[in-house]
This record gives sequence, structure tokens and C-alpha cells, in this order.
Amino acid sequence: SQTIHQWPATLVQPVGSPLSLECTVEGTSNPNLYWYRQAAGRGLQLLFYSVGIGQISSEVPQNLSASRPQDRQFILSSKKLLLSDSGFYLCACRLGGGGTDTQYFGPGTRLTVL
Amino acid sequence: DAKTTQPPSMDCAEGRAANLPCNHSTISGNEYVYWYRQIHSQGPQYIIHGLKNNETNEMASLIITEDRKSSTLILPHATLRDTAVYYCIVRAYQTGANNLFFGTGTRLTVIP
Repeated sequence: SQTIHQWPATLVQPVGSPLSLECTVEGTSNPNLYWYRQAAGRGLQLLFYSVGIGQISSEVPQNLSASRPQDRQFILSSKKLLLSDSGFYLCACRLGGGGTDTQYFGPGTRLTVL
Repeated sequence: DAKTTQPPSMDCAEGRAANLPCNHSTISGNEYVYWYRQIHSQGPQYIIHGLKNNETNEMASLIITEDRKSSTLILPHATLRDTAVYYCIVRAYQTGANNLFFGTGTRLTVIP
């Protein structure tokens, strides 16, 4: 079965500093990968998704970017963090087939921008 | 994707069955019903999904009405560890994004 790893688990960064969050997946190949953000007390907001190496689609314009350098590695980055970037960042992997899709989530990274 | 409506919160006594309702009156024929839950400070966890028939797995049962306009997630013997926010999502299979829209869900509190 698939396992999703995210690190770091928590991060406190000053405004204007860079960001790099990493997600890796085990137990599956060629997955669809997703980055979500969850603000406190809110639902999930899709930020980026990727259907393969080097293929990134952005759902929300912002100062964040994503990259997929390897099949099972997904990275979320920023050159300069904003206060509004604080939140709970979740990486997810989609397993599908047969006309359905189920997403499995990593443990998340809690980012606080001060 | 069809819109879903869930009560904002529910309580359930430990050891009793928790029945979480979800209305999805605009569901289309090719849309599945998915349930996820999110325990505090953790990533969402997939529970179960179904199309027309009732489904059961090791975590829960999913009852879908015959007209498919509503469904109920049943946790047969709730434990304190089942305290979480439960999300009902309705969507059809699509290539590409397959993003899941998580609304505000139902906050289930299991009471000792």
C-alpha cells in the first residue's frame, strides 16, 4: 500500500524568507500528486497537481510554485513567504482506476509565517 | 461536482453507532459519494466510497438512498479516536486534476 511522507512536520519562517516543502510517495508508481493548503478552521484548497514528472498545473495564482523532479517526489516552494502563506500544507496521492478515484494524504506540514 | 450538505456538528456516546448524514440532491448518475475524515492536526483519511449500492469496509458502512440524493456514514461502534471532522464529497471520475473539494464537514465528538 502507498505511504506518503512529508517534511518538515512543522516550520516557522519569517516573512520574505524562502520555502521548500517536500513530499515523497512509496508503494505506487506514476501517481497523480497534489498540494493542498488548509487555513485554520477551513476546508482544503487545492494549490497544485501533477500527473507526471515535470508536469505541474496550478489551481490558484499566488507566490507559491511546485515541481516534480522525480516520479514520486513533489516539492512546494516559494521565493518570498507572505503572512497569508501560513497554514497546514498537505500532499496527496491519487489512486484510481475503474472510474473512481481515492486520494491518500500525507501527515501535513504546519507552516507559520511571522 | 454536486454540492453536499452536512450538519456542522454531532455528538455520539462511546460504543454507540454514529450516523452521519449527507445530502447531495443534485448528484449526477456518474458521481460517486466519498467520505473522508480529519483528526485534529492530521491529514485527511479516506474512509469509504460508493456509487449506488451500500458499502461496508473495516472502518464504516455507507448507506446510499435509492434516489441517491442522500447518504449516511455509519461508524458501528464509535470510539474516542473517531472524534474528527467528517467530509462527504461527491464527484465523478475525471482525468487530470481530480481535486477533491472539502467543505466544512461534520465535527463528530465521541463522548465517554
